[in-house]
Amino acid sequence: AQSVAQPEDQVNVAEGNPLTVKCTYSVSGNPYLFWYVQYPNRGLQFLLKYITGDNLVKGSYGFEAEFNKSQTSFHLKKPSALVSDSALYFCAVRGLSSGSARQLTFGSGTQLTVLP
Amino acid sequence: DAGVTQSPTHLIKTRGQQVTLRCSPISGHKSVSWYQQVLGQGPQFIFQYYEKEERGRGNFPDRFSARQFPNYSSELNVNALLLGDSALYLCASSLGGNQPQHFGDGTRLSIL
Repeated sequence: AQSVAQPEDQVNVAEGNPLTVKCTYSVSGNPYLFWYVQYPNRGLQFLLKYITGDNLVKGSYGFEAEFNKSQTSFHLKKPSALVSDSALYFCAVRGLSSGSARQLTFGSGTQLTVLP
Repeated sequence: DAGVTQSPTHLIKTRGQQVTLRCSPISGHKSVSWYQQVLGQGPQFIFQYYEKEERGRGNFPDRFSARQFPNYSSELNVNALLLGDSALYLCASSLGGNQPQHFGDGTRLSIL
């Protein structure tokens, strides 16, 4: 079965500093990896995805993520955090095999707080 | 362009009742998925439909059912509601394949 771990429930960072939100995954074969953000009382908003190719993926709002196959990680990063980046972030994985492995499996989420 | 729309936004039911939640996908999207998000957790996959056929089912009891209509909209039905069914129910649509899923704002279901 596929799974995602987000080891930090909460990440605090000062505005203007770089931020990292960690994610590790487990899946059979090559993964599709995604990051989503959720603001209060809203659905999930797509940030970026890794399918294949370059290990550094650039997404919306200045976010990027680095795929590391040997460490089975897909950490979300941003060079300079904004207060408006404060939200709940979810990492998700989808396998390439048939059946239930093709469904998105989400981590438990990381609450990011950017302090002014 | 309109995003994924879900109705109603909020719903209050009592134990044992039945509920139907509705979802309209982004125009051109033929795949619709349903997720349950309990407070403090990540979304859990319930169903996926593509071209009106069920393509996947998560680990939920048979009280949960869904269908997709010819216009690609979808309904999620939950029978014999339990207190533990209280959650945010999210609908997501996509073009299929490797494309990302785009989520609606959800239906907040509260069971009394």
